[in-house]
Amino acid sequence: AQSVSQHNHHVILSEAASLELGCNYSYGGTVNLFWYVQYPGQHLQLLLKYFSGDPLVKGIKGFEAEFIKSKFSFNLRKPSVQWSDTAEYFCAVNARGGYQKVTFGTGTKLQVIP
Amino acid sequence: GAGVSQSPSNKVTEKGKDVELRCDPISGHTALYWYRQSLGQGLEFLIYFQGNSAPDKSGLPSDRFSAERTGGSVSTLTIQRTQQEDSAVYLCASSRFETSGRSNTQYFGPGTRLTVL
Repeated sequence: AQSVSQHNHHVILSEAASLELGCNYSYGGTVNLFWYVQYPGQHLQLLLKYFSGDPLVKGIKGFEAEFIKSKFSFNLRKPSVQWSDTAEYFCAVNARGGYQKVTFGTGTKLQVIP
Repeated sequence: GAGVSQSPSNKVTEKGKDVELRCDPISGHTALYWYRQSLGQGLEFLIYFQGNSAPDKSGLPSDRFSAERTGGSVSTLTIQRTQQEDSAVYLCASSRFETSGRSNTQYFGPGTRLTVL
């Protein structure tokens, strides 16, 4: 069975600082990878996803993530955060093939200080 | 509708009562998920429906929890004999199933905030 680990539970950054949130998954086969974001008081929504091709994926609002297969990682990055990036970020994975459910990590709360 | 809808948006109940939470997925989405989000607990998977396949109930925390999906569309999550620890936001998500297996982006509803007194 697949699993996802997000090692940072709570991150506090000042505006303009660079961000990297870790995500590691465990599954031996081919996977789809996702980052979702939940802004305060809003729905969970997709930030970016990877399923094939270029391992560097660009999403909305300047976010990007890099899939490193050898490390089973899909870390989320942003070169310069803004106060509006304050949110909770969830990494998710699902194994390709068949009716494989999506598994989420426990989330990372990001607080950006103006 | 344009997105996933859930009702009610808020539910306050007394310990021991039964509650039903409803989810209307996006039309044409064959996959439907229920999650529970508690303060400081992240996103806890409860149950997964995919088309006509048997649901994956591996996340249901106890036999007080059950869910059904009628006609492959609307789903109802039922919690019997509610306990205070059931207080949480219950989220529903739906997705298309792509035969290529390439992507299963989930679309989330606004959630139902359940408070058990």
